[in-house]
Amino acid sequence: GAVVSQHPSWVICKSGTSVKIECRSLDFQATTMFWYRQFPKQSLMLMATSNEGSKATYEQGVEKDKFLINHASLTLSTLTVTSAHPEDSSFYICSARGPPTNTGELFFGEGSRLTVL
Amino acid sequence: SQKIEQNSEALNIQEGKTATLTCNYTNYSPAYLQWYRQDPGRGPVFLLLIRENEKEKRKERLKVTFDTTLKQSLFHITASQPADSATYLCALQSTNAGKSTFGDGTTLTVKP
Repeated sequence: GAVVSQHPSWVICKSGTSVKIECRSLDFQATTMFWYRQFPKQSLMLMATSNEGSKATYEQGVEKDKFLINHASLTLSTLTVTSAHPEDSSFYICSARGPPTNTGELFFGEGSRLTVL
Repeated sequence: SQKIEQNSEALNIQEGKTATLTCNYTNYSPAYLQWYRQDPGRGPVFLLLIRENEKEKRKERLKVTFDTTLKQSLFHITASQPADSATYLCALQSTNAGKSTFGDGTTLTVKP
């Protein structure tokens, strides 16, 4: 099946610094990728839809200046958490729709656990 | 507003039994309903997708039903094994390329 790789799998940073998370589709082209945030024992909260070559679409309540999304190629989307604070600590996951031959299911990255000290 | 409810936060069953998980939704007309498995600290993995005009879908020991009148999907794992222990998420999608909305998940524990 389609493979989505996410990097780094975990990161620890100091408050006020910025952190970049990469999401790559390894064996297919993904014009659309999705970024989620997940707190312990809670479900996936969609943050934004990342569209190749255009601006991301953010969900209500998600600060676009805080969570910068760039989708510069058909296989790479990045999420940058700017001026991170402890409340930004969470599990961030990306996903992409599979190749056109698939029926629309999502393929997820392994997730990135961010801890802000 | 749209709401997805999965029957219970946790489900414990004995190995060999059939696990049945429920996903109910309101204020939504999904074109697709999907089930995913998520292990601790990992991203979800796709299991099954069922369309609004399908009643049932099977894959090995997995079976999904979809009742658009009741606004409910049932997810069954037959002959359950300890390796089936995980959190199972249902997700609704309104169009082929639309975003998916996820339920909170049910954590299944299969005891040997």
